[in-house]
Amino acid sequence: EPEVTQTPSHQVTQMGQEVILRCVPISNHLYFYWYRQILGQKVEFLVSFYNNEISEKSEIFDDQFSVERPDGSNFTLKIRSTKLEDSAMYFCASTPGKGGLAKNIQYFGAGTRLSVL
Amino acid sequence: AQSVTQLGSHVSVSEGALVLLRCNYSSSVPPYLFWYVQYPNQGLQLLLKYTSAATLVKGINGFEAEFKKSETSFHLTKPSAHMSDAAEYFCAVTPANQAGTALIFGKGTTLSVSS
Repeated sequence: EPEVTQTPSHQVTQMGQEVILRCVPISNHLYFYWYRQILGQKVEFLVSFYNNEISEKSEIFDDQFSVERPDGSNFTLKIRSTKLEDSAMYFCASTPGKGGLAKNIQYFGAGTRLSVL
Repeated sequence: AQSVTQLGSHVSVSEGALVLLRCNYSSSVPPYLFWYVQYPNQGLQLLLKYTSAATLVKGINGFEAEFKKSETSFHLTKPSAHMSDAAEYFCAVTPANQAGTALIFGKGTTLSVSS
């Protein structure tokens, strides 16, 4: 069964460093998302992406964050200058975007745990 | 605007007992509703979904949920708990028929199952 894949599973970085989290959404899906989950807290929406541009973003998604689809398969989240409070699990998701009732079902990857020291 | 409230951050049951995890939602538009399960150190797995078809929805691992518009609820149930059901459960809502819109999650309920 097709799945969303994320790499790496765990990323450790120093405060102030840039990190790039990578995701390969399900093939032929049209919408892509990033969410984060700080330890012990709920899953929070960061950004959605469609047709090579951001379609929606939350207040969390400030100027230090950016997303990109550099080729036909990868979807990346860049954090420009990491802070201690960026430590969290980051989830990528994708949806078909078409096809009746299933078009808005989000399929999640296993996540990347980011640890900022 | 949409929101989800999960009553009870922690639910404990005995193996074989009924599981009931509560979820109430608020939505200004017709919603799609979801339950996701998260096992320790793993990602989010879709348990079941309500997408405006049948109000009683069956999912994986014997779980089911009923959409009750009058009560704005989407509670998750399982007749008989198994040890392997121990996990974190999240209820989520999104506008129906609007692809690309954020999923709004509840704070989650930790289910513990004792033998």
